[in-house]
Amino acid sequence: DVKVTQSSRYLVKRTGEKVFLECVQDMDHENMFWYRQDPGLGLRLIYFSYDVKMKEKGDIPEGYSVSREKKERFSLILESASTNQTSMYLCASSFGLTGTEAFFGQGTRLTVV
Amino acid sequence: AQKITQTQPGMFVQEKEAVTLDCTYDTSDPSYGLFWYKQPSSGEMIFLIYQGSYDQQNATEGRYSLNFQKARKSANLVISASQLGDSAMYFCAMREPNFGNEKLTFGTGTRLTIIP
Repeated sequence: DVKVTQSSRYLVKRTGEKVFLECVQDMDHENMFWYRQDPGLGLRLIYFSYDVKMKEKGDIPEGYSVSREKKERFSLILESASTNQTSMYLCASSFGLTGTEAFFGQGTRLTVV
Repeated sequence: AQKITQTQPGMFVQEKEAVTLDCTYDTSDPSYGLFWYKQPSSGEMIFLIYQGSYDQQNATEGRYSLNFQKARKSANLVISASQLGDSAMYFCAMREPNFGNEKLTFGTGTRLTIIP
């Protein structure tokens, strides 16, 4: 079974803290993605990566950065967490071939207080 | 501009009826892929069906079919004989080339409720 694992299911952080959300996949996928999901807004793409050390901005990258030092791991970093970053964060991965579906992690519900 | 548009925030359908969930997309690239995902209340994202831009026939997977109208840039999901377990959020997504890699963009979703 393909597995995409996010390090935490629930996380509570204080405003101004540096927050790391980790995602690991075990299928040797080239592509990895970070989304945030908010009611009425669907899934919005924050950052994506198609190779180690490569990254591309998605539609809402402000306030976030990412790191991909190894192929299987893609980290989302909130440099200074703010309350408007309270959300559900979803990680996904896929092979670098058009037509192959993306597999998702279970999500991390982040609350910034 | 929105790349993926789902105009139905919520739908209520009687059990055993067919249901169509709308999705329109916007891209200028000739090579792209369209996906539908289901998200039940448990939160997991379940892949349902895929349609490639060059596919001649509409995709089908069991009770799911994708009504692909390329000229209209439309990729509606059709669920036949709906079941109570079909109650969930449904997301349409598009994969398109992006300067040598691929970007995967989602719509805002449709919440489907099946009424017994």
